[in-house]
Amino acid sequence: GEQVEQLPSILRVQEGSSASINCTYENSASNYFPWYKQEPGENPKLIIDIRSNMERKQTQGLIVLLDKKAKRFSLHITDTQPGDSAMYFCAASEGRIFFGDGTQLVVKP
Amino acid sequence: DTTVKQNPRYKLARVGKPVNLICSQTMNHDTMYWYQKKPNQAPKLLLFYYDKILNREADTFEKFQSSRPNNSFCSLYIGSAGLEYSAMYLCASSRSGTGAFTEVFFGKGTRLTVV
Repeated sequence: GEQVEQLPSILRVQEGSSASINCTYENSASNYFPWYKQEPGENPKLIIDIRSNMERKQTQGLIVLLDKKAKRFSLHITDTQPGDSAMYFCAASEGRIFFGDGTQLVVKP
Repeated sequence: DTTVKQNPRYKLARVGKPVNLICSQTMNHDTMYWYQKKPNQAPKLLLFYYDKILNREADTFEKFQSSRPNNSFCSLYIGSAGLEYSAMYLCASSRSGTGAFTEVFFGKGTRLTVV
């Protein structure tokens, strides 16, 4: 299957600052890259995604960037709030979805 | 209703005993997945059904079985549970697009503890 590497595993930021999570993938056939947010006791929920025909997508304080040449994609959360504290998973899909190991984001007030 | 339902939420099993986990969705999705998630690890794809076709990952091929009696239901079956099967099992579903995948919806998971 696909290998998705995600860094960092833990990210602590001050409220109001930005947070960035980076992922790389191996399979050049991967064409869909979703990001999921998982809060304790809840199922992972899709927060933003990007397809291989795009390089950038932005929605409600979230920005995703995709560099197909480098097989790298990233999530940027601007103006973080305590409610953004959660586990974040990146994923890559070529028909099957494979996940990174997750990033625990902690936003300190 | 965009929910994927999993039953039970918690399951306790004895080593060597079978385990059957249930998942359902009413979104008419053609694809249903099972993932295994252990603490501090990524969800690991075990298998998925595309319509009636079962696809099992190579490294979990012999450990897990599944059935999909109709479009809405999908089960995950462990014939003989071992301690290493203790994990959260996430069911998910999606509607396949042509060429590119669409959003995957996850259930809340079943936490399996094998003792």
